[in-house]
Amino acid sequence: AQTVTQSQPEMSVQEAETVTLSCTYDTSESDYYLFWYKQPPSRQMILVIRQEAYKQQNATENRFSVNFQKAAKSFSLKISDSQLGDAAMYFCAYRRNAGNMLTFGGGTRLMVKP
Amino acid sequence: DVKVTQSSRYLVKRTGEKVFLECVQDMDHENMFWYRQDPGLGLRLIYFSYDVKMKEKGDIPEGYSVSREKKERFSLILESASTNQTSMYLCASSFPLTQPQHFGDGTRLSIL
Repeated sequence: AQTVTQSQPEMSVQEAETVTLSCTYDTSESDYYLFWYKQPPSRQMILVIRQEAYKQQNATENRFSVNFQKAAKSFSLKISDSQLGDAAMYFCAYRRNAGNMLTFGGGTRLMVKP
Repeated sequence: DVKVTQSSRYLVKRTGEKVFLECVQDMDHENMFWYRQDPGLGLRLIYFSYDVKMKEKGDIPEGYSVSREKKERFSLILESASTNQTSMYLCASSFPLTQPQHFGDGTRLSIL
């Protein structure tokens, strides 16, 4: 079975600085998707970024980028120029390529200090 | 815009009651999901449906059942609520395979 681990229950960052959230996963599959979701206090889960395992290039979405290390089974999220609105729970998730179900990590609470 | 609506934001029920959580999506998605969210455990899949009247068990189906009579609606049923089912419940929907899941706002359920 696949597992996803987020080793940092909480992180904090100063506004305008950069922060990296860690995620590792365990799978025997070679083809899969990885996701980062954000859950603000409003509670709605929002997709931040997605990475296909077969792609070498790291995904980026504006201030959000990932460092995908397939051999190490690591998928970290970097947030640049942090903003107060980035404060939220962040969840890393895994999905097999031929599957529909997501496996989530335990989450990291990110606090942004003004 | 994508919309997944959960019928209640907060719900308080008593031990032993039968509890229904409703979820509706307006995107004509085939797939619908029910998750439970607990601190430190992330989201865990309870049940998944890939079509009307079709369902699959997720990681923690015990004590729950589901119903999908129409494509847009997916109900989670707690047959006899217990205090260890106090949690946040999240519904999601998606097209099959490569498409990401879209989530509702969650229902915070307390069983007293």
